[in-house]
Amino acid sequence: GEDVEQSLFLSVREGDSSVINCTYTDSSSTYLYWYKQEPGAGLQLLTYIFSNMDMKQDQRLTVLLNKKDKHLSLRIADTQTGDSAIYFCAESMDSSYKLIFGSGTRLLVRP
Amino acid sequence: EAGVVQSPRYKIIEKKQPVAFWCNPISGHNTLYWYLQNLGQGPELLIRYENEEAVDDSQLPKDRFSAERLKGVDSTLKIQPAELGDSAVYLCASSPAPGREQFFGPGTRLTVL
Repeated sequence: GEDVEQSLFLSVREGDSSVINCTYTDSSSTYLYWYKQEPGAGLQLLTYIFSNMDMKQDQRLTVLLNKKDKHLSLRIADTQTGDSAIYFCAESMDSSYKLIFGSGTRLLVRP
Repeated sequence: EAGVVQSPRYKIIEKKQPVAFWCNPISGHNTLYWYLQNLGQGPELLIRYENEEAVDDSQLPKDRFSAERLKGVDSTLKIQPAELGDSAVYLCASSPAPGREQFFGPGTRLTVL
């Protein structure tokens, strides 16, 4: 079945690195995404990775994919207070093109 | 480039009333999605359009929900009649083609009293 799981909450100190983890169940997923949602706003696409890659770096963001364990992570370097938000992991189903989202990880950055 | 536009941003209605949400996708994006996001959860797909055709509406509760995208651009999602459990955020997203990255609008927060 389709299921994406994330831990609910992460708290880090400003300037530290944050690592948000996600597990998914469908091995046929073609793309995996990370979205950011601030209060009262829609989802902002941060980055995505194709399933045949194991790493992607984009400025302060690093995505790691372990396809064998169906594990995805997002590392944010030098975390800032503006990074405080909810982060959603999502997998894209090749057959239906819909996104299956996790429940989101709330990141709190302490000054 | 303008993003996905949705209106209204907030809507408060009494149960059994009808309500409609409007979405204007990013220019040139043929694929349009409506998602439902309940509090504390990730979005769930309601319907997907390719141009004006609804190609996946399996998750849309058709007894009270309807959607249209008559000219393959703007879309409207309607609920009639609304129930208390429909209180949620309704998100519209678009992508340039099926399977490509999806860009979301700000959503419409619906409260049913």
